[in-house]
Amino acid sequence: GQQVMQIPQYQHVQEGEDFTTYCNSSTTLSNIQWYKQRPGGHPVFLIQLVKSGEVKKQKRLTFQFGEAKKNSSLHITATQTTDVGTYFCAGPRSNDYKLSFGAGTTVTVRA
Amino acid sequence: DGGITQSPKYLFRKEGQNVTLSCEQNLNHDAMYWYRQDPGQGLRLIYYSQIVNDFQKGDIAEGYSVSREKKESFPLTVTSAQKNPTAFYLCASSTLGEGARDYEQYFGPGTRLTVT
Repeated sequence: GQQVMQIPQYQHVQEGEDFTTYCNSSTTLSNIQWYKQRPGGHPVFLIQLVKSGEVKKQKRLTFQFGEAKKNSSLHITATQTTDVGTYFCAGPRSNDYKLSFGAGTTVTVRA
Repeated sequence: DGGITQSPKYLFRKEGQNVTLSCEQNLNHDAMYWYRQDPGQGLRLIYYSQIVNDFQKGDIAEGYSVSREKKESFPLTVTSAQKNPTAFYLCASSTLGEGARDYEQYFGPGTRLTVT
């Protein structure tokens, strides 16, 4: 079945540095969604990408959907302590209403 | 305020007991979901429902049961048959429309269940 894989599982970042987390699907996706879960909290929707090659920005966060619509990335510039949390990507399965979530990238920030 | 509420936030039970987790939404969403989250893993789907009085098993439904008697409510029962029930349980909802898979999911605050 369709699987969504995320790398890395953990990302330790020095405050002010940039980093990227990646999401790969075994099948083509109609869209990719990204969620953020703060420590002790619940996932919160960040963005959805639909078009091949699409790039969207939210302040210091840049989201990209691959040309083949099988991968996506989240790039954060000038990391801040507020970026701490786990970032999940999720892609819809092809034949039902379910989202397939990646295992997430847990980000910690060194001040 | 619109949103999803889950109660309680923390729940402790003895092994062998059934326990029901509450999930209520006032977003007027047709679709509702239950996920289980374990450390180092993503969200795994337990059950989902697209309409009142109808629901489908997700990937890890064994040992769980649900009901959908009202649009706004989707309670989850963790039965004694669930072998490893200790986990963080998240309820979510979304618009159904032409394809709920294309709509963002709104999550409740979660219930952390500990079974000893």
